[in-house]
Amino acid sequence: KNEVEQSPQNLTAQEGEFITINCSYSVGISALHWLQQHPGGGIVSLFMLSSGKKKHGRLIATINIQEKHSSLHITASHPRDSAVYICELNRDDKIIFGKGTRLHILP
Amino acid sequence: KAGVTQTPRYLIKTRGQQVTLSCSPISGHRSVSWYQQTPGQGLQFLFEYFSETQRNKGNFPGRFSGRQFSNSRSEMNVSTLELGDSALYLCASSLGGERQVGNTIYFGEGSWLTVV
Repeated sequence: KNEVEQSPQNLTAQEGEFITINCSYSVGISALHWLQQHPGGGIVSLFMLSSGKKKHGRLIATINIQEKHSSLHITASHPRDSAVYICELNRDDKIIFGKGTRLHILP
Repeated sequence: KAGVTQTPRYLIKTRGQQVTLSCSPISGHRSVSWYQQTPGQGLQFLFEYFSETQRNKGNFPGRFSGRQFSNSRSEMNVSTLELGDSALYLCASSLGGERQVGNTIYFGEGSWLTVV
């Protein structure tokens, strides 16, 4: 069983829709990191969180340590949000990445 | 403020050769980490350096090595290249050495390596 699972793998939505991307994991972690990767390869760090909720603009990230689950929400989605979203687990000396969710927002 | 700079951006190597990739972190950042990304395996952590010392290492064979210089610039080397080493190699830098909340990580654009 993979230590980290992201869902969905692919998501296509209309501009303006509320988007939820999920990351479930099976190991204890010290922090969870959400990354955004645009076509061409560049990666941007969105959030790193160890508890609760963080918000930045239209993006919200939540984590439930007991349930071993994190969600990334995008409100009022826009075509420029089209990217691959990757969750990263940090535990002691291990860094583990999810396979990513490919998001496509249609205008 | 300049971002994380990786060179070269694109390169083609032959099986059996070796390759050295370079990463210049954001000024003032002392931590540099390296990653490999392939379509099959996704993003994988290679290693991390902080103040010239390797702090953390992923599960890669010894053919993959790295180092960090006193100016925080880092290089990674892959010896005896295999076809499966074809990938996007990314580096990232941060101020501190701990992967924790508050220590933002900045990624470079990556080096695309093709092994033929």
